[in-house]
Amino acid sequence: GQQLNQSPQSMFIQEGEDVSMNCTSSSIFNTWLWYKQDPGEGPVLLIALYKAGELTSNGRLTAQFGITRKDSFLNISASIPSDVGIYFCAGPQNSNSGYALNFGKGTSLLVTP
Amino acid sequence: KAGVTQTPRYLIKTRGQQVTLSCSPISGHRSVSWYQQTPGQGLQFLFEYFSETQRNKGNFPGRFSGRQFSNSRSEMNVSTLELGDSALYLCASSLQGIAGNTIYFGEGSWLTVV
Repeated sequence: GQQLNQSPQSMFIQEGEDVSMNCTSSSIFNTWLWYKQDPGEGPVLLIALYKAGELTSNGRLTAQFGITRKDSFLNISASIPSDVGIYFCAGPQNSNSGYALNFGKGTSLLVTP
Repeated sequence: KAGVTQTPRYLIKTRGQQVTLSCSPISGHRSVSWYQQTPGQGLQFLFEYFSETQRNKGNFPGRFSGRQFSNSRSEMNVSTLELGDSALYLCASSLQGIAGNTIYFGEGSWLTVV
């Protein structure tokens, strides 16, 4: 499947700081999904985006669907220690045999008190 | 509303054995997809089932198979296990499928092959 390029790979920040991460692709996507995964657990859906230019918030999290439909951004404001985890972007990609959900490699976030 | 439920949570198998993992989707969801997660390869799509039919398959060998029952519950099977099959296997469900729908994951089944 098409690789989603997610950056940065990791972030080490202080509590209270804002965080920004993004995902890009050479292909167009019609949906962008952002997940958070804690160690040993399954990914938990944070935000789903379905329209180019869409800006959606979920508490301190805000995500945007890029107008080119080839990128998406996730911002976390005023980070807290429980924000620690790995954040993944994902998007459905159509292949010859149907849709597959492709993922970025993840952004590992560490927050110090 | 119950989430996606996967069983077993942890299991250890020996090379050459086979394993079956189970997934119960969110009530009303008809699509179930499976993923393999490893440190080296990240999250990789295995296959998707919808209304008991496989709709799409990722780049995995034929040792990986699945099925879906009339109540939308799904199982995946890995035969002739190899050490490299050790991974977290995740199941996800959605109302109508992967395209254009919100996709929810279970907690995963940790498989260790020794």
